[in-house]
Amino acid sequence: DGGITQSPKYLFRKEGQNVTLSCEQNLNHDAMYWYRQDPGQGLRLIYYSQIVNDFQKGDIAEGYSVSREKKESFPLTVTSAQKNPTAFYLCASSIGGPSNTEAFFGQGTRLTVV
Amino acid sequence: AQSVTQLGSHVSVSEGALVLLRCNYSSSVPPYLFWYVQYPNQGLQLLLKYTTGATLVKGINGFEAEFKKSETSFHLTKPSAHMSDAAEYFCAVTNTGGFKTIFGAGTRLFVKA
Repeated sequence: DGGITQSPKYLFRKEGQNVTLSCEQNLNHDAMYWYRQDPGQGLRLIYYSQIVNDFQKGDIAEGYSVSREKKESFPLTVTSAQKNPTAFYLCASSIGGPSNTEAFFGQGTRLTVV
Repeated sequence: AQSVTQLGSHVSVSEGALVLLRCNYSSSVPPYLFWYVQYPNQGLQLLLKYTTGATLVKGINGFEAEFKKSETSFHLTKPSAHMSDAAEYFCAVTNTGGFKTIFGAGTRLFVKA
């Protein structure tokens, strides 16, 4: 079945550590996105990539980094510079730019700083 | 700049009652509008979308929404609520040639037996 796989589902990080969240899709989509979800704030865009080897900052990119070396993969690293990383992280993909095409979402990764 | 406002962070209805979730948007160009549903600890799933054409859009699970340009609204409705409809609902907007999707803050729907 085609879809988006995020791993792990739950992740715990100590203060000062970098952690990497995995996102893999087998939908053959060009565009991929990372969102952060906090209660009452909806989804906020961290980074997006329209094509392999290219990505752009979203609205809240500080403290995060990404890579897009393969079409299927768009990992997100939460660095120690991110002051409040505890949140639910969602990866999504779409055929092209979002315009009139919907996004397909993974099941999310819940990151907790301990 | 585009924006989306969902009126009411929480909505509670009885089983069998009408569901109405409100969404207003702002956009300087014709928008594309979406409703997504999220169940606890899961990703978002598309319910329906408006791009062009008919302003009344039907989606999955008996939901529908009407695009009203004059009111800049895209409210989501369902004639009869089921317990399984309890979830969080997000309205979202993009526009022609745009790349970023703007999401509303979400409305959590509670369904009482």
